[in-house]
Amino acid sequence: QSALTQPASVSGSPGQSITISCTGTHSDVGSYDLVSWYQQHPGKAPKVIILGVNKRPSEISNRFSGSKSGNTASLTISGLRPEDEADYYCCSYAGSSFFWVFGGGTKLTVL
Amino acid sequence: EVQLLESGGDLVQPGGSLRLSCAASGFNFNIYAMTWVRQVPGKGLEWVSGINYGGGSTYYTDSVKGRFTISRDNSNHTVFLQMNSLRVDDTAVYYCAKHRTTTVVTPFDSWGQGTLVTVSS
Repeated sequence: QSALTQPASVSGSPGQSITISCTGTHSDVGSYDLVSWYQQHPGKAPKVIILGVNKRPSEISNRFSGSKSGNTASLTISGLRPEDEADYYCCSYAGSSFFWVFGGGTKLTVL
Repeated sequence: EVQLLESGGDLVQPGGSLRLSCAASGFNFNIYAMTWVRQVPGKGLEWVSGINYGGGSTYYTDSVKGRFTISRDNSNHTVFLQMNSLRVDDTAVYYCAKHRTTTVVTPFDSWGQGTLVTVSS
């Protein structure tokens, strides 16, 4: 069982927007602004798309955005493109006992 | 450009040992914390171990404490993961990743391509 809870799958059509939730607890997501999101295409390494809840690396499209409310973080992808089809993982710092915890991953299908 | 190249993955019997290496280039390795994350094929990601920029502080997930040791050689820009007493459930792709600053209490922002460790008799 993963420490953070994500939906197993989401889907959307090209041009639409989708949101992936990531629910943790007051010990991880709720306590630290250290939530990251990673995109992973099949057979490839994960790639960071969001750091620190809502910060985007310079090379990442502004179609990707992150937010947090309480114990739940969210990733929103707007203007869906076929190349966005991938697995998405959230990750949060969880204090000095557990350090970093991941969600179970969400498979995004672009219909 | 940040590059992380893992090596050392192999097929090993339960109870055996392996040493993974991660060679870094394209950034000032000496001032960044480093981490290992693993992924069972077809499954999710799991943080395994981290080390601060100087190597003086190391951290482990509970399931590997006492069996795995992380270390680094700043003169050769390499981080290692010594894995002893390997178990079948250690089978995974092991990724090396770079933290954003000197400490492991910052997100990891670059990943290597991974190396496969298979523990089986």
